[in-house]
Amino acid sequence: GAVVSQHPSWVICKSGTSVKIECRSLDFQATTMFWYRQFPKQSLMLMATSNEGSKATYEQGVEKDKFLINHASLTLSTLTVTSAHPEDSSFYICSASPRVNTGELFFGEGSRLTVL
Amino acid sequence: RKEVEQDPGPFNVPEGATVAFNCTYSNSASQSFFWYRQDCRKEPKLLMSVYSSGNEDGRFTAQLNRASQYISLLIRDSKLSDSATYLCVVSLNTGGFKTIFGAGTRLFVKA
Repeated sequence: GAVVSQHPSWVICKSGTSVKIECRSLDFQATTMFWYRQFPKQSLMLMATSNEGSKATYEQGVEKDKFLINHASLTLSTLTVTSAHPEDSSFYICSASPRVNTGELFFGEGSRLTVL
Repeated sequence: RKEVEQDPGPFNVPEGATVAFNCTYSNSASQSFFWYRQDCRKEPKLLMSVYSSGNEDGRFTAQLNRASQYISLLIRDSKLSDSATYLCVVSLNTGGFKTIFGAGTRLFVKA
């Protein structure tokens, strides 16, 4: 299967700081990547669709100015949580696919964010 | 109504048991169907795609009923290592590909 790598795997930060999470497709090019958030014992919630070379598409209720997404190359998308607060603490996961029209997704390892 | 609904679980079964998970989806235009497995504090991983003709992979059998908009996963001879959350996933093209996850069903297999 395709390989998607995410970094960092965990991060602890102080309230008010910004945190950047990277998502890389290692063995394929991804024009589209997806960012999810998962709270404990809940399902994955799609936050936004990251499109290479254009603006991300955000799901309803997700603040685009709070969760900045940049997809500058075909193998890298970044999610920046700006001015993080404790309620932003969550498991953030990205996904991508070399076969975008099949619906089959490959996930990064996830990034666990804890905001103090 | 949720777009993808699954059995709430958790399912607690002994080793060797057969367990079945059900999933229904609301959009009849859905095109692709999958079961993913997610271990605690890990990312989801594809378990198997689901085809209209039904498909089997070892101890795992997936079925799709498009008329009833129903998907199932059967696990035979459960192992301790099968303990995880199983996610029903549906994809459809709505002018851009959209993937919808069910809430997941937790399975605990006990010795």
